Amino acid sequence: EPEVTQTPSHQVTQMGQEVILRCVPISNHLYFYWYRQILGQKVEFLVSFYNNEISEKSEIFDDQFSVERPDGSNFTLKIRSTKLEDSAMYFCASSEGWPTPNEQFFGPGTRLTVL
Amino acid sequence: AQRVTQPEKLLSVFKGAPVELKCNYSYSGSPELFWYVQYSRQRLQLLLRHISRESIKGFTADLNKGETSFHLKKPFSQEEDSAMYYCALSGDNTDKLIFGTGTRLQVFP
Repeated sequence: EPEVTQTPSHQVTQMGQEVILRCVPISNHLYFYWYRQILGQKVEFLVSFYNNEISEKSEIFDDQFSVERPDGSNFTLKIRSTKLEDSAMYFCASSEGWPTPNEQFFGPGTRLTVL
Repeated sequence: AQRVTQPEKLLSVFKGAPVELKCNYSYSGSPELFWYVQYSRQRLQLLLRHISRESIKGFTADLNKGETSFHLKKPFSQEEDSAMYYCALSGDNTDKLIFGTGTRLQVFP
């Protein structure tokens, strides 16, 4: 069964450094998402992406964040200058489409630790 | 404001007991409600959604618009049901998921 994959599984970085989190969505899916979960808190929506552009973003997704689909398979989340509070589990998800509420398939997550 | 509330952080039962994981929501339009499950060391996966009106692994959930609830129920729990359960909603004109804080279900032998 196809799955969403994410790399790396754990990323440790120094405050102020740039990080790129990578995701490979399921191949025939058209909608892509990033969520994050700070330890002990709820899973929060960051951004959705369709047709090579952002379709929706949350207030968390400020100018420090960007997403890209550089080729036909990868979907990346970049944080330009990491802060301590960016430490969290980051989940990528993909779905076949909307407006019917299709199932979002989640990746295993990348744990980001900012020191 | 759009919000999903799961009042219980932890629910512990013995095998065979019924379980009910509570979920209440706040949404001004017509929401779509989901239950996601995360087993130990596994990824989040969809358990069920209200429009499907199906039973998965013996679990059911009914959307009660009057009480703005979408409680998850199973009449006879099993040890393998032990996991983290998240209630989530998406709304009209958006497909982002809004999650609750989750309930950890522990089913003891």
